[in-house]
Amino acid sequence: DSGVTQTPKHLITATGQRVTLRCSPRSGDLSVYWYQQSLDQGLQFLIQYYNGEERAKGNILERFSAQQFPDLHSELNLSSLELGDSALYFCASSFGQSQNEKLFFGSGTQLSVL
Amino acid sequence: AQSVAQPEDQVNVAEGNPLTVKCTYSVSGNPYLFWYVQYPNRGLQFLLKYITGDNLVKGSYGFEAEFNKSQTSFHLKKPSALVSDSALYFCAVFQGGSYIPTFGRGTSLIVHP
Repeated sequence: DSGVTQTPKHLITATGQRVTLRCSPRSGDLSVYWYQQSLDQGLQFLIQYYNGEERAKGNILERFSAQQFPDLHSELNLSSLELGDSALYFCASSFGQSQNEKLFFGSGTQLSVL
Repeated sequence: AQSVAQPEDQVNVAEGNPLTVKCTYSVSGNPYLFWYVQYPNRGLQFLLKYITGDNLVKGSYGFEAEFNKSQTSFHLKKPSALVSDSALYFCAVFQGGSYIPTFGRGTSLIVHP
């Protein structure tokens, strides 16, 4: 068990809808990362927060947004969903933000857009 | 830009035989290299990392990786494969100055009994 908790594990929704994915990092970790995993794109970095502040943005669509709350949990909001948004969404955490640190991954949220 | 390539989508090996999962990188500056493993229905788990020092890095579950600067490679190895090693393996790289890892597309390792 990595100590990173993601909910829900599975999410089935329709095109045009909005969903929220939740992540609780490991106790003591300040940094949260969101990744999207799909068969055609592999593991794509979306966004990173450190101690409540957005620190890095990757290939995140404008329809997607995220935030990290004072208790350090994070939420990823996906809106106006399209079929192509179907993927496995991972949250990862680390204590800080350096190149020495390994990331601890949650088990992911499998999103299916029908 | 930083990039990492895993040239093989799938590697098949018989149990007890040595295994190699390949990774090459392209970064400016010193590379910081990691290997992660993903078992079915699980998140990625850290295996090992190379930051500096000895080119042969030992990690979890008997895995090791060899850093080769001239060939810009960081191949994952294990002397004797187990069926339980069957999983998806990801190489990741940090470029100097960036603290966001870029992951390769992953290599599916299948170990046959």
